[in-house]
Amino acid sequence: DGGITQSPKYLFRKEGQNVTLSCEQNLNHDAMYWYRQDPGQGLRLIYYSQIVNDFQKGDIAEGYSVSREKKESFPLTVTSAQKNPTAFYLCASSIERVDQPQHFGDGTRLSIL
Amino acid sequence: RKEVEQDPGPFNVPEGATVAFNCTYSNSASQSFFWYRQDCRKEPKLLMSVYSSGNEDGRFTAQLNRASQYISLLIRDSKLSDSATYLCVVNPNQGGKLIFGQGTELSVKP
Repeated sequence: DGGITQSPKYLFRKEGQNVTLSCEQNLNHDAMYWYRQDPGQGLRLIYYSQIVNDFQKGDIAEGYSVSREKKESFPLTVTSAQKNPTAFYLCASSIERVDQPQHFGDGTRLSIL
Repeated sequence: RKEVEQDPGPFNVPEGATVAFNCTYSNSASQSFFWYRQDCRKEPKLLMSVYSSGNEDGRFTAQLNRASQYISLLIRDSKLSDSATYLCVVNPNQGGKLIFGQGTELSVKP
């Protein structure tokens, strides 16, 4: 089955710790995205990548880092510099065409211990 | 002004009702438009794309008015299973980014 797989589903971070969220897609999509959603809020773009080995900051990139070494993979690291990391993190991918929607993984819930 | 604004919720309607959601966007260069549905604590799922001529998918009808920069979603004969948050999403044609509205919560009651 084609789709987007995020792992883990739940993640707990200790103070001062970096954690990495995994996102893998087998849809052969060029573009991949990371969003953050806080309770009762809309989605905010963290980082996105339109092609392998290239990525751009979104609206709230501070405290996060990404890599895009393979087309199918776009991991997100939440660093200790992100002081309020508790949120629902969503990864998405799309065909790189303006009329194409994005498709989402089922998300990772990150909490602070 | 927010880039994408939606009707505030929640909308509480009885089964069988017709309900309409509205959405406005600020960037007149926006190229494509979508409605997503998000269930509680789940990921957003594409409900339908919105085309200039308007489009219908069963009980759901989406309309776009470029002159007024306005998008709508009409749900006829509401079902209990339609209860969810509906997200208006706009592609401003800025390098693949999508802009998401805050969402409108719909609760369909028996």
